[in-house]
Amino acid sequence: DAKTTQPPSMDCAEGRAANLPCNHSTISGNEYVYWYRQIHSQGPQYIIHGLKNNETNEMASLIITEDRKSSTLILPHATLRDTAVYYCIVRFATNSGGSNYKLTFGKGTLLTVNP
Amino acid sequence: KAGVTQTPRYLIKTRGQQVTLSCSPISGHRSVSWYQQTPGQGLQFLFEYFSETQRNKGNFPGRFSGRQFSNSRSEMNVSTLELGDSALYLCASSLQGNEKLFFGSGTQLSVL
Repeated sequence: DAKTTQPPSMDCAEGRAANLPCNHSTISGNEYVYWYRQIHSQGPQYIIHGLKNNETNEMASLIITEDRKSSTLILPHATLRDTAVYYCIVRFATNSGGSNYKLTFGKGTLLTVNP
Repeated sequence: KAGVTQTPRYLIKTRGQQVTLSCSPISGHRSVSWYQQTPGQGLQFLFEYFSETQRNKGNFPGRFSGRQFSNSRSEMNVSTLELGDSALYLCASSLQGNEKLFFGSGTQLSVL
């Protein structure tokens, strides 16, 4: 899986948009970008994923640059409950076997939403 | 639909003992994977099972083992516990293994 780079921490004011960047300059053509988050002492929670088009669901939006070398996760109206570590992961989404069946987590970004 | 269930939630053992952790995946999910999380190393992949077969294994010693049953429930076993095995052990399930994963709340293991 391609390596990702994220800032170690970010702050955001409650009610404002939180924009979390991720660099994945070595991503290959058939690797997807996945985002998970982990609230303290809980298991990671899936947020969103995408290949090359921008994606939106009830939790967040994912903006992937045209060259696919970076992406941004957007939480449109951050709340205190969004305080968590956010992980950006790239991986294949086909049955290519072997290492495809694991997630490689980096250190993620600790997002702190302040009142 | 019930989520991924891990038992027990907390466990305290002493060095040299062995431990078995259990994971019940979401109904219909056939892939179960295990991760270890420590403050120093972060989240690290242990192994993944699909239809009772181990498909992928991380870089952990042979003291860490697992298995999956015909109903997709999975167990992991750690023998001859060491202090460094103290960690949060997380289980995740998915339909086939290559799409989004659903994680349980984990088992917090403390080795004294």
